[in-house]
Amino acid sequence: DSGVTQTPKHLITATGQRVTLRCSPRSGDLSVYWYQQSLDQGLQFLIQYYNGEERAKGNILERFSAQQFPDLHSELNLSSLELGDSALYFCASTQSGRASGELFFGEGSRLTVL
Amino acid sequence: QQQVKQSPQSLIVQKGGISIINCAYENTAFDYFPWYQQFPGKGPALLIAIRPDVSEKKEGRFTISFNKSAKQFSLHIMDSQPGDSATYFCADRKLIWGLGTSLAVNP
Repeated sequence: DSGVTQTPKHLITATGQRVTLRCSPRSGDLSVYWYQQSLDQGLQFLIQYYNGEERAKGNILERFSAQQFPDLHSELNLSSLELGDSALYFCASTQSGRASGELFFGEGSRLTVL
Repeated sequence: QQQVKQSPQSLIVQKGGISIINCAYENTAFDYFPWYQQFPGKGPALLIAIRPDVSEKKEGRFTISFNKSAKQFSLHIMDSQPGDSATYFCADRKLIWGLGTSLAVNP
């Protein structure tokens, strides 16, 4: 158990809808990363937050947004969903905002868009 | 965007054999070389990592070797076991990940 909690584990929705994925980092971790994993694209970095502030941005679509709250949990909002958004979404946390060091991953949220 | 290229994409090894996975990177500022292991239905977990001041690090059956001049680092799994069957990823600074290597160890 990594200590990172993601909810929901599974989510099925329709095109055009909006969903929110939630992540609770390990106790004491200030930095949260979001990744999208699909079969043909591997693990794609979306966005990083450190202590409530956006620290780095990857290939995140404009339809997607995220935030980190004062209690350090984070939410990833996906809107105007398309079939291609179906994927596993992972959250990971680490104590510092440094580029090196171990990442601790949750078990992911599997999103299916029909 | 700088890339991280893994090879092979998939690998089948007999139990007891040696599994070798390679990672080529472009970013010369790379200062941390991790391998993550992911089992089906789970998130990736750090398996082993190395910093560029050493050329090799061994933890049990897992060895990571680093070749700075070739800008490559490799994962060697000795005496491969069926329980090692998983997908393995290398990464650059947590932001850029290889596409993964699917390892199957046959009993």
